[in-house]
Order: sequence, then C-alpha cells, then structure tokens
Amino acid sequence: AQRVTQPEKLLSVFKGAPVELKCNYSYSGSPELFWYVQYSRQRLQLLLRHISRESIKGFTADLNKGETSFHLKKPFAQEEDSAMYYCAPRQHGGSRLTFGEGTQLTVNP
Amino acid sequence: DAGVTQSPTHLIKTRGQHVTLRCSPISGHKSVSWYQQVLGQGPQFIFQYYEKEERGRGNFPDRFSARQFPNYSSELNVNALLLGDSALYLCASSPMGSGQPQHFGDGTRLSIL
Repeated sequence: AQRVTQPEKLLSVFKGAPVELKCNYSYSGSPELFWYVQYSRQRLQLLLRHISRESIKGFTADLNKGETSFHLKKPFAQEEDSAMYYCAPRQHGGSRLTFGEGTQLTVNP
Repeated sequence: DAGVTQSPTHLIKTRGQHVTLRCSPISGHKSVSWYQQVLGQGPQFIFQYYEKEERGRGNFPDRFSARQFPNYSSELNVNALLLGDSALYLCASSPMGSGQPQHFGDGTRLSIL
C-alpha cells in the first residue's frame, strides 16, 4: 500500500536555526516526490519536486531511495517560512498525489 | 493570470442532501483532479479527469461522482451527504493528464449539519 509518513505534526524552531522536515514513504515503483506548502490563508502551492533538483526559498530536498525518504531542509529558517508543509509522492508519469498528514512549521523570532 | 477557481467558497448542508461543487482550471489546463481534506489531515485523492474522461478514482463510495465539461471545467457531486463528508474539497489542474505538477484552488469548505 502507498503510504507517506511525516512523523512531526508540529515543529518549532528559532529564526536562523536549521530546519528539517521529515518525510518517509512506502510506494511501489519509482515515484516522483513533491513538497507542497500552505501559508496562512493561502492556497496549497508547489514548493519543489525532486526531479528538478532545485532550491526554492532556500529549501532543498534529497531523495534517498535506500531509506525511502525525502526530507526537506533549510540551513537558516526565516519567520516567513512558518506554514504547513506536505510531502506527496506520485507515480512517475502519473497524476494522483498521495499526501502525508503534514507538518506545521513555526519559526519564532 | 487567474489560477484555479472554485465555487462556492463555503457551503452548509444537512444529512441526506446532495451537493455540487464547481471548478474552473487554469486556462490551457486539460486535467482536473479533486481531493478531500478533512480537518487535521492531508488531502485525499477522489478523482482525476482528463479530456472529459475519468482517468483515476480514489477510495471513495459511489455517492461521489464527477464530470468534466468541453471547456475543461469540472463538477464534483456528492449524494446522500453524511456528517463525515464535512471537509475542504480541493480542485487541482495541470496541463496534461500526467507527469506535470498540479496547481490547487482555494477549495470549497463543506459543512454537514
């Protein structure tokens, strides 16, 4: 069965501290991995996808196929990073996203 | 540039009623997907439509149905509403049927009394 686990529902860090949001997945085949973010009172939006191998707003995520993980990292958190973050794999070439339960990140001043 | 638009934004219904939710995709997008997001959980896939045909269905009862129109807009219908159908219903569009990121609307907040 396809499963996504985001072990931390809540994560609180101070501004300037490193942050890591964990995502582990159990998925058949070779999935694509995405991180979506939802800022307060805004719609769900794509943050990054693993095949792009890019850094968005200072965030990066490395796909570890051996550990089936796709953790989201940022070396220096900012207050504006406070949001709900969702990890979501998708069958390669498919369209159906399987979302985790999300991690609410709070960056304190 | 208009993103994905959904209507209505909020809706209150009672048990047993039916509801129709509407979605207009981004211009040029031909694929529409529907997700249900219960409070405190991530979105759950309900349907995907591409070129007016159903291309995927999640684990939802037959009370849930959808369709896509020639202009690529879509409707989600839910019959015989239950209290557990209370959720945020999200619509997402993408240019093609597969392989590209999805763009989400603001959702319709459905409350069942």
